[in-house]
Amino acid sequence: DIQMTQSPSSLSASVGDRVTITCRASQSIYNYLNWYQQKPGKAPKLLIYAASSLQSGVPSRFSGSGSGTDFALTISSLQPEDFATFYCQQSYSSPYSFGQGTKLQIK
Amino acid sequence: EVQLVESGGGLVQPGGSLRLSCAASGFTFSSYWMSWVRQAPGKGLEWVANIKDTGSDKYYVDSVKGRFTISRDNVQNSLVLQMNSLRAEDTAVYYCARRGHFWSDYYSAYYYGLDVWGQGTTVTVSS
Repeated sequence: DIQMTQSPSSLSASVGDRVTITCRASQSIYNYLNWYQQKPGKAPKLLIYAASSLQSGVPSRFSGSGSGTDFALTISSLQPEDFATFYCQQSYSSPYSFGQGTKLQIK
Repeated sequence: EVQLVESGGGLVQPGGSLRLSCAASGFTFSSYWMSWVRQAPGKGLEWVANIKDTGSDKYYVDSVKGRFTISRDNVQNSLVLQMNSLRAEDTAVYYCARRGHFWSDYYSAYYYGLDVWGQGTTVTVSS
């Protein structure tokens, strides 16, 4: 099974900051990597698929990069509504594992 | 409106059974693979199972194999997770989700992500 490891586990930042969250796969997953955002008490929301493709309706301040085993999610200028927990997920092979999550908090 | 609505959660004793349902509307249900994802209290997301659009292929995480069964009814537009031999560690919010498929011209390949989610239903396994 493929293990997904995110870093950091938590992050404090201010509105307007640029932040990057990383995700590492235990083996190559090419670019079969998704990113989700989850707010407390809500279902997750798909932000990015295929490592760098923005899901319809997602603001362009979100971007994804990487291939193989190393990936990153970048938010170019944090907005108040962006504070949430973010998860990566590999869609290369079953079981389609998630990272453990990165909680983005307001500084 | 594209929508998924789960039901069937509740409190069950260890070793018991529960049947979760997910009603789909607003899209052609029979054209999509569907998934179940769970989240234990205060924990991260865990993919549980998925089922092919036709219902012919099913996949599970190891921890539920032999205990959980995913199924679907493409006439009633519904997804089901039958959970047997429940354990305390199965306590979680269970989400059903649609597996969206996205074509990449650049890579000439399909990519998949969970693009529509229900609100979740809570399963508590406790004596």
